[in-house]
Amino acid sequence: DVKVTQSSRYLVKRTGEKVFLECVQDMDHENMFWYRQDPGLGLRLIYFSYDVKMKEKGDIPEGYSVSREKKERFSLILESASTNQTSMYLCASTEVPSGNTIYFGEGSWLTVV
Amino acid sequence: AQSVTQPDIHITVSEGASLELRCNYSYGATPYLFWYVQSPGQGLQLLLKYFSGDTLVQGIKGFEAEFKRSQSSFNLRKPSVHWSDAAEYFCAVGAHPPDKLIFGTGTRLQVFP
Repeated sequence: DVKVTQSSRYLVKRTGEKVFLECVQDMDHENMFWYRQDPGLGLRLIYFSYDVKMKEKGDIPEGYSVSREKKERFSLILESASTNQTSMYLCASTEVPSGNTIYFGEGSWLTVV
Repeated sequence: AQSVTQPDIHITVSEGASLELRCNYSYGATPYLFWYVQSPGQGLQLLLKYFSGDTLVQGIKGFEAEFKRSQSSFNLRKPSVHWSDAAEYFCAVGAHPPDKLIFGTGTRLQVFP
């Protein structure tokens, strides 16, 4: 069965802390994504990666960075967390070619205080 | 610019009633279209997708959607709603490359007994 795992479901961090959100997929997918979900705004793409060590900015990359050292793992990094980054973060993956189903993890709820 | 509009933020229906959730998109090429459902505190689950061919697409849980190119719409329907269908529904369009999705802001469905 397809699996995208986000290791931390609920986190509370302090302003200014460095935060790592980890995502692992077991489907050997090339493409991986990080979305942010906020009420009334839907899902917005932060970063995506189509290969190991490759990354592309999405629509709202400011304040975030990513790392993809291995094909199955895609990490989202908040260099210095701020309260406006309190949100639900969703990781997803898909294989090429275009149009294949995108699979989502269950999400990581991050609260920055 | 590519975009997805879900004009209904919140819909309430009685159990057993029919349902239609609206989705309009703006996309320069032939779109790949998706409907996802999200139960509270969970990730997104794919209901159905349209890539090409028959414009009426069947999905899981008794849902269907119809692609109407002339209206730039991809509305989701279900003939008889069950209480377990209460959730948030997202329409999305696939962009290239590499398969990143653009989401609408979602429609929250409430079902009364």
